[in-house]
Amino acid sequence: AQSVTQPDIHITVSEGASLELRCNYSYGATPYLFWYVQSPGQGLQLLLKYFSGDTLVQGIKGFEAEFKRSQSSFNLRKPSVHWSDAAEYFCAVGAFYGQNFVFGPGTRLSVLP
Amino acid sequence: DAGVTQSPTHLIKTRGQQVTLRCSPKSGHDTVSWYQQALGQGPQFIFQYYEEEERQRGNFPDRFSGHQFPNYSSELNVNALLLGDSALYLCASSLETSEFYEQYFGPGTRLTVT
Repeated sequence: AQSVTQPDIHITVSEGASLELRCNYSYGATPYLFWYVQSPGQGLQLLLKYFSGDTLVQGIKGFEAEFKRSQSSFNLRKPSVHWSDAAEYFCAVGAFYGQNFVFGPGTRLSVLP
Repeated sequence: DAGVTQSPTHLIKTRGQQVTLRCSPKSGHDTVSWYQQALGQGPQFIFQYYEEEERQRGNFPDRFSGHQFPNYSSELNVNALLLGDSALYLCASSLETSEFYEQYFGPGTRLTVT
């Protein structure tokens, strides 16, 4: 069965600092991996996705993520955080058949001015 | 191009009552999935509908049921509401034949059970 862990419940960074949010997954085959962002009271917005090929994927809002099969990780990064990036971030793994996603518990990002 | 829409936005119900939530998928999408997101947690998969049938189901009791209509819109029904059913209910749509499948989420319906 698929599972996703996000070790950091809450991270605080200063505006302009770099960011890395961790995600580890468990899945028997090649995973489909996603990062979503959720602002308070909002639905989920897709930041980026990985299916195959280049292990470094670029997303919206300046985010990128790197797939490392040997570490079963798909960490999200951003070189310079903006105050508007404060939100909840969810990593998810999908199985092609059936298309249901398994989400991690989320990491809440706070940004200091 | 309209995205995924859900109604109502907020809902307050009493224990034991029944509730129906509605979802219209993104234009061109044919598959609808429902998720429950309790406060402070990640979304949990409830079930998925494709071709008007429930194709896959998560670990939720039979009190949770759904329906998909010929126009691909969907309903989520919850019977005999419990306090623990209070959550944000998210609908996501996708296209079965998409090469790079991804799910587009609606804004959710906030259900409060008192």
